[in-house]
Amino acid sequence: DTAVSQTPKYLVTQMGNDKSIKCEQNLGHDTMYWYKQDSKKFLKIMFSYNNKELIINETVPNRFSPKSPDKAHLNLHINSLELGDSAVYFCASSPGGASTDTQYFGPGTRLTVL
Amino acid sequence: KNEVEQSPQNLTAQEGEFITINCSYSVGISALHWLQQHPGGGIVSLFMLSSGKKKHGRLIATINIQEKHSSLHITASHPRDSAVYICAVVFSGTYKYIFGTGTRLKVLA
Repeated sequence: DTAVSQTPKYLVTQMGNDKSIKCEQNLGHDTMYWYKQDSKKFLKIMFSYNNKELIINETVPNRFSPKSPDKAHLNLHINSLELGDSAVYFCASSPGGASTDTQYFGPGTRLTVL
Repeated sequence: KNEVEQSPQNLTAQEGEFITINCSYSVGISALHWLQQHPGGGIVSLFMLSSGKKKHGRLIATINIQEKHSSLHITASHPRDSAVYICAVVFSGTYKYIFGTGTRLKVLA
């Protein structure tokens, strides 16, 4: 059974479109995260939710909106996609916060904006 | 200057060698993570440290809070250890979570 799953694995779309990436964890964890890995392979946290509440919101354009319908899911919706949004997006989860617990990562979603 | 610095950026070793990867950070932290990213892109969390030392198999992670420095050691390295190793810190009193730029390790058979 996959602990942290993301769909889709690959996403190719045109500039200006709106798209969503879904993330689900079956570990019973309270905290979920979204990360962006750019073309230089640098990882950066975007958002973190604990029990459906937003606790980290880094300087991410407001075109990016996370949605947590329940604590097992954290979806990422992106409006008006731009070329610079092309990256690999990783979802992760942990029992508690990043300062206390190991994180479990999803396989990543490679987003290409044309 | 990045808040989290890793060295070396690239490292090539022969199978069996002892490997050390270093991570330095600029301010007080509540936790430090070591991650491994495989050539296929998957990320695995290796350790989370707030003090002392942890060991798992051939991997050892240490942290010196006073010196603001952590090391990841790999004993008896193997080609399957080839990956990018990433250090990430959580700064004290905040939720700020910063990643190093990674160390690309290649172990030759």
